[in-house]
Amino acid sequence: DQQVKQNSPSLSVQEGRISILNCDYTNSMFDYFLWYKKYPAEGPTFLISISSIKDKNEDGRFTVFLNKSAKHLSLHIVPSQPGDSAVYFCAASGSGAGNMLTFGGGTRLMVKP
Amino acid sequence: DGGITQSPKYLFRKEGQNVTLSCEQNLNHDAMYWYRQDPGQGLRLIYYSQIVNDFQKGDIAEGYSVSREKKESFPLTVTSAQKNPTAFYLCASSISWQGRNIQYFGAGTRLSVL
Repeated sequence: DQQVKQNSPSLSVQEGRISILNCDYTNSMFDYFLWYKKYPAEGPTFLISISSIKDKNEDGRFTVFLNKSAKHLSLHIVPSQPGDSAVYFCAASGSGAGNMLTFGGGTRLMVKP
Repeated sequence: DGGITQSPKYLFRKEGQNVTLSCEQNLNHDAMYWYRQDPGQGLRLIYYSQIVNDFQKGDIAEGYSVSREKKESFPLTVTSAQKNPTAFYLCASSISWQGRNIQYFGAGTRLSVL
């Protein structure tokens, strides 16, 4: 049973507009969430994270929102750029340094010029 | 430059053959991980190691083996028991920051069956 789900396999957005990528989780023990970006034939790169004590974390054009009651998080990219075209994975873990990351299936974002 | 190096980038396996994927890191990270990614799917954990000379099975360990004799190295062997080895394999290492596990990835090895 998938504990972290990204229900949209793909998303297409016009350059300059907002991209919103969504992620849902089922395990209430998850309290730390991360977003990774992956280009084809490369490893994922860490983008941004959020702890469950917050509901928003911002880093430049990237903002992650967490709704604990809904067990839902989203990544907003504003403004979207063609170089943002990639697969985005959300990941979750429980508290403690040794806990593993559980990854969603990914969403392919295409930003059109 | 600090980072995680995976080799080779592409690997071909014959029927019944064992192959070993290399993963080296110079980030001084204690923990290392191996994931498998299949087309259109997320990352699934094969094995992980939190300290030298110790490793644990992940969600899909069957048909794989690992060793962790040095902090910098965590090779993965895909054995002949793995019946569907064609996939993209990713190695990661992690640092604990404020009790949180942020993993950093290598560039991956694509394994195909001849």
